[in-house]
Amino acid sequence: SAVISQKPSRDICQRGTSLTIQCQVDSQVTMMFWYRQQPGQSLTLIATANQGSEATYESGFVIDKFPISRPNLTFSTLTVSNMSPEDSSIYLCSVEKTPRTDTQYFGPGTRLTVL
Amino acid sequence: DQQVKQNSPSLSVQEGRISILNCDYTNSMFDYFLWYKKYPAEGPTFLISISSIKDKNEDGRFTVFLNKSAKHLSLHIVPSQPGDSAVYFCASQIQGAQKLVFGQGTRLTINP
Repeated sequence: SAVISQKPSRDICQRGTSLTIQCQVDSQVTMMFWYRQQPGQSLTLIATANQGSEATYESGFVIDKFPISRPNLTFSTLTVSNMSPEDSSIYLCSVEKTPRTDTQYFGPGTRLTVL
Repeated sequence: DQQVKQNSPSLSVQEGRISILNCDYTNSMFDYFLWYKKYPAEGPTFLISISSIKDKNEDGRFTVFLNKSAKHLSLHIVPSQPGDSAVYFCASQIQGAQKLVFGQGTRLTINP
């Protein structure tokens, strides 16, 4: 597996502001992903964070709302921009430790509440 | 369109008995399936997976069964222990496509 940390673990933010969530892995990984879990819902993939190129976004998610950085093979950030109460969710990063094994390992998540 | 469904939001089982969690999928392109366990305030923890070329995979107390014709998989935990109390998510994937599609989760409670 992989040791994955996220910062912050939780935050309460005001409507219209932005929050950047950090994801750090203890070893180099090829693939990093960002998921969202809205209250009472399942996990939904937001985007794949590609090292050295732009992130690949899933249908319904756009770069202006969720800009992602991936400066190296152990670190990524997700920004939730211009927040509204509907953005209140748990945001999780995950990694695929070994390419083409298809098993993803998850960080502890960031619980975001937007007032 | 919910491609992966866990129809039981909760399940209660007595300690020592077998827990059976079920999952159905609709996309016939899925060929890799995973189960995750999630405790409150933690991220999902990978438990066990199965490829579509198999119909069973076992790891200790955990066994996953896959019925491709029925598009159904199940996770068996035997014997169930109090530490197994958590939310269990099944996830499906088209192998090589990276994207995991999750079910809604089943909250398992093991009673002493």
